Amino acid sequence: AQSVSQHNHHVILSEAASLELGCNYSYGGTVNLFWYVQYPGQHLQLLLKYFSGDPLVKGIKGFEAEFIKSKFSFNLRKPSVQWSDTAEYFCAVINTGNQFYFGTGTSLTVIP
Amino acid sequence: NAGVTQTPKFQVLKTGQSMTLQCAQDMNHEYMSWYRQDPGMGLRLIHYSVGAGITDQGEVPNGYNVSRSTTEDFPLRLLSAAPSQTSVYFCASSTGVSLYFGPGTRLTVL
Repeated sequence: AQSVSQHNHHVILSEAASLELGCNYSYGGTVNLFWYVQYPGQHLQLLLKYFSGDPLVKGIKGFEAEFIKSKFSFNLRKPSVQWSDTAEYFCAVINTGNQFYFGTGTSLTVIP
Repeated sequence: NAGVTQTPKFQVLKTGQSMTLQCAQDMNHEYMSWYRQDPGMGLRLIHYSVGAGITDQGEVPNGYNVSRSTTEDFPLRLLSAAPSQTSVYFCASSTGVSLYFGPGTRLTVL
């Protein structure tokens, strides 16, 4: 069965700091990978996704993620965070059966 | 285009009561699913459907029923509510490429 691991449960950063959130998945086949963001009181929104091609994927609001197949990883990065990035971030993988599997989420707090 | 809609937004139930959480989408997506979100546990799949008349169980189906009579609607039924079902419930639909989430229903079972 597929699984997604997010090892950082709660991250606190100051504005302008760089961000990297870890995501590892366990699935040997072809995967499509996603990062979703949930702002306080809102529903989940797609941040970025990887299907194939360039392993460095750019998403909205300056976020990017790098797919490293050998490490089964899809870490999320942002060079300089803002207070408005305070949210919960979920990594997800979809398998060939179109089932989405989510990590447990990482809560990011950005201090002004 | 409303996307994925859910009603109600908030609900309080007593143990043993039953209720239905409504979910509808207007994007003509074949795939629809229900998740529950609990602190520290992320999103867990309850039930899903790959098209009208077809439903299947996810990771945590116990205590929940679903049906899919139309492409647009995918209601989730709690047969006899238990405090362990206190959670935030999200409905989602998909083209098979990305998930589109509804705004969620916050359910409290006393």
